[in-house]
Amino acid sequence: QVQLVESGGGVVQPGRSLRLSCTGSGFTFSNSDMHWVRQTPGKGLEWVAFISYDRSREFYVDPVKGRFTISRDNSKNTLFLQMNSLGPEDTAVYYCAKEGSTSGYYWGRFDYWGQGTLVTVSS
Amino acid sequence: DIQMTQSPSSLSASVGDRITITCQASQDVSKFLNWYQQKPGKAPKLLIYDASNLGTGVPSRFSGSGSGTYFTFTISSLQPEDFATYYCQQYDYVPYTFGQGTKLEIK
Repeated sequence: QVQLVESGGGVVQPGRSLRLSCTGSGFTFSNSDMHWVRQTPGKGLEWVAFISYDRSREFYVDPVKGRFTISRDNSKNTLFLQMNSLGPEDTAVYYCAKEGSTSGYYWGRFDYWGQGTLVTVSS
Repeated sequence: DIQMTQSPSSLSASVGDRITITCQASQDVSKFLNWYQQKPGKAPKLLIYDASNLGTGVPSRFSGSGSGTYFTFTISSLQPEDFATYYCQQYDYVPYTFGQGTKLEIK
């Protein structure tokens, strides 16, 4: 069965960096487009970033552009989110999610999610 | 960004009831609308994709309809395990955006 396991969350001071990881199993990771989505009590669910299976496409939500970088290592079935210049507004549970659309040109259907990893930005 | 507005924000119902949640998009998103269920402490689960298609393994009491800017999500006969929070989400445009959620509680 499809499984996604995130790691790397924790407490970090404002302005510092953190890298999240997500390891996938039970599906062909190297053929799958992937996303990061975050959730806060205040703002709800917010899509953060997308990367295509072959790393040819990347999309980001505006508040993280220039600060966050999504990447992947298909040889290790692992997705990453490098988060720099973190602020209190980045405090959230971060989920990795697998893309469910097979169209090849429409993305944004999150068919499987990890359990999430909590990032807290606080001094 | 496209704003997704769900109604109601919360809903009390009993086992066996039929309930409907609506989702309105601030502009036309065609059929590119998903519905998710989330239980406390868990990740969201995809229930409906492309407005009306049932996700893998999702019971047939769940259904969705609509296109353009107006969508509905229905549970035909509530079961105890259905009490959760439900979200709509559009994926016609980047950034993909979610509704604020509808919390379904037991009456």
